[in-house]
Amino acid sequence: RKEVEQDPGPFNVPEGATVAFNCTYSNSASQSFFWYRQDCRKEPKLLMSVYSSGNEDGRFTAQLNRASQYISLLIRDSKLSDSATYLCVVNGAGGSYIPTFGRGTSLIVHP
Amino acid sequence: DAGVIQSPRHEVTEMGQEVTLRCKPISGHDYLFWYRQTMMRGLELLIYFNNNVPIDDSGMPEDRFSAKMPNASFSTLKIQPSEPRDSAVYFCASSLLASGQETQYFGPGTRLLVL
Repeated sequence: RKEVEQDPGPFNVPEGATVAFNCTYSNSASQSFFWYRQDCRKEPKLLMSVYSSGNEDGRFTAQLNRASQYISLLIRDSKLSDSATYLCVVNGAGGSYIPTFGRGTSLIVHP
Repeated sequence: DAGVIQSPRHEVTEMGQEVTLRCKPISGHDYLFWYRQTMMRGLELLIYFNNNVPIDDSGMPEDRFSAKMPNASFSTLKIQPSEPRDSAVYFCASSLLASGQETQYFGPGTRLLVL
């Protein structure tokens, strides 16, 4: 089983839609969790951290479910500019600080 | 701050040649990471340094790959000899864990094509 798994998609949604991605991790001792965004032919950039209590940043909501070992990202009112690949990152997945990236979920928002 | 700087941005070389990729992390950051990204395997951690010391190089694919960090502001990733299967985008990232911030800041990457 891979340490961090994501559905690669692509998720094809119309503007204004709500879309959600999940990411599962295998190591229950994992310490911290993040979502990164990567645009085509660009570097990954931090979108948001994921806290135990859940957190919201504008149209984006991230949640952590430790019991089921997954994190989620919800995007409301999708914009064309949200089209990108969303990478899930788990620190401590290998039992150390080493960050482990998921393969990413591709989102395409169309008019 | 200028962010993480990588050079070259693009490299095309022939099989068997030596390739050296360079990275300048964000000033003051204590961790530096080298990643490789391909369509088939996604983003793979190759090696990371803490305060210029290599901590874990278990992701380095084989002996043809080596990485150094002679000082806090410079790191290299060398492939010798290069092979076509090394073609990928190589990212360098840095972070400041001492501050409690685990955010990694990535450079723009080096696109390597080995013919």
